[in-house]
Amino acid sequence: DAGVIQSPRHEVTEMGQEVTLRCKPISGHDYLFWYRQTMMRGLELLIYFNNNVPIDDSGMPEDRFSAKMPNASFSTLKIQPSEPRDSAVYFCASSLRGSADTQYFGPGTRLTVL
Amino acid sequence: QKEVEQNSGPLSVPEGAIASLNCTYSDRGSQSFFWYRQYSGKSPELIMFIYSNGDKEDGRFTAQLNKASQYVSLLIRDSQPSDSATYLCAVNIYAGGTSYGKLTFGQGTILTVHP
Repeated sequence: DAGVIQSPRHEVTEMGQEVTLRCKPISGHDYLFWYRQTMMRGLELLIYFNNNVPIDDSGMPEDRFSAKMPNASFSTLKIQPSEPRDSAVYFCASSLRGSADTQYFGPGTRLTVL
Repeated sequence: QKEVEQNSGPLSVPEGAIASLNCTYSDRGSQSFFWYRQYSGKSPELIMFIYSNGDKEDGRFTAQLNKASQYVSLLIRDSQPSDSATYLCAVNIYAGGTSYGKLTFGQGTILTVHP
């Protein structure tokens, strides 16, 4: 298996622009997680899905952030409008049995908002 | 108090020594405990998990869990320069029902193994 795939790997955008991050989980994994990592706050869970259904979005910072999972092999995280404080590395991860199981992380998307 | 706390380090040990990484957590309902390693510029990868009190060994790595003290540690024996990385402690709190809970990560401890 190719592992968790994320795109783009790097994104530089200007404040106010819409940003869409994409993730393809490992085939057969029923859980998908979106994390954000910064020096100040570390690795934080934003939202996770089980069988394409959002289960816990309490980590989504505000209404500017939204996430969807239209099918078992694809998810998006959208920021609209983006702000400089959104600059971070965004990771997608997937697992078979949720947080009680090994989570496999994608390579991440490094987002810079100018 | 943070939910999961780690000494951020950096922790520096000589090659061949034992590196000891510590983590405390606040929620007594925590069920599962994980150690992830993250090399600079890379994504986290699982090293070990532990569910029960006591020790769990895997090669040069030993995870130790003490639920009464709310403490989990990772020992790395015969440390190698290739072990130099950030080590993240993660704790799963089981939410009950059909959910498997969610992971909360510590800030990570930077380990440097010098030749």
